[in-house]
Amino acid sequence: AQKITQTQPGMFVQEKEAVTLDCTYDTSDPSYGLFWYKQPSSGEMIFLIYQGSYDQQNATEGRYSLNFQKARKSANLVISASQLGDSAMYFCAIMDSGAGSYQLTFGKGTKLSVIP
Amino acid sequence: DGGITQSPKYLFRKEGQNVTLSCEQNLNHDAMYWYRQDPGQGLRLIYYSQIVNDFQKGDIAEGYSVSREKKESFPLTVTSAQKNPTAFYLCASSSTGPSNSYEKLFFGSGTQLSVL
Repeated sequence: AQKITQTQPGMFVQEKEAVTLDCTYDTSDPSYGLFWYKQPSSGEMIFLIYQGSYDQQNATEGRYSLNFQKARKSANLVISASQLGDSAMYFCAIMDSGAGSYQLTFGKGTKLSVIP
Repeated sequence: DGGITQSPKYLFRKEGQNVTLSCEQNLNHDAMYWYRQDPGQGLRLIYYSQIVNDFQKGDIAEGYSVSREKKESFPLTVTSAQKNPTAFYLCASSSTGPSNSYEKLFFGSGTQLSVL
């Protein structure tokens, strides 16, 4: 099974609306971390938000929040009040221990387009 | 400003040629990483280094080589053995290395490598 699955290759959202980007993961490690990164057309990967597997509350960072459902193994990113600058690729990633050391594994990404 | 600098932004390789991608960080991070990104794909780990003079293979190390002679620098050489080198290459660093589930990676702005 894929370690990280992002089922939405592309998404459109109207400016000022909220949007949810889906992410499901697969791991047998009880201790893991989930990350979301944004990649604008310039190419740099920008850290957005982190959720630890033992965190009781959903993570929030400004307009970004993470809808973490541990039993369902999902970690969806919610962007509130979308802005034109939010148009980018968004990657979900998991940090877990495979063969002895932790490694960050990325999904294939979702391309978000914000419509004025 | 602290950050990660990758150069060049664009690089062209001829058949049978080795090329080296530069990555420098001034974040005083111990660990550095190289990732490869193909169109429509997530990032895949090539090599990582947790300390000077030590590095480990990632998932797709064949055809690549690295060195870590200084804490600040982690150059990647794409050798002639890499038959499909055209891709976007991203360098990253983190504070201590892949030893826990909450290690956040900081990325450079990438190098696009193309074959002539």
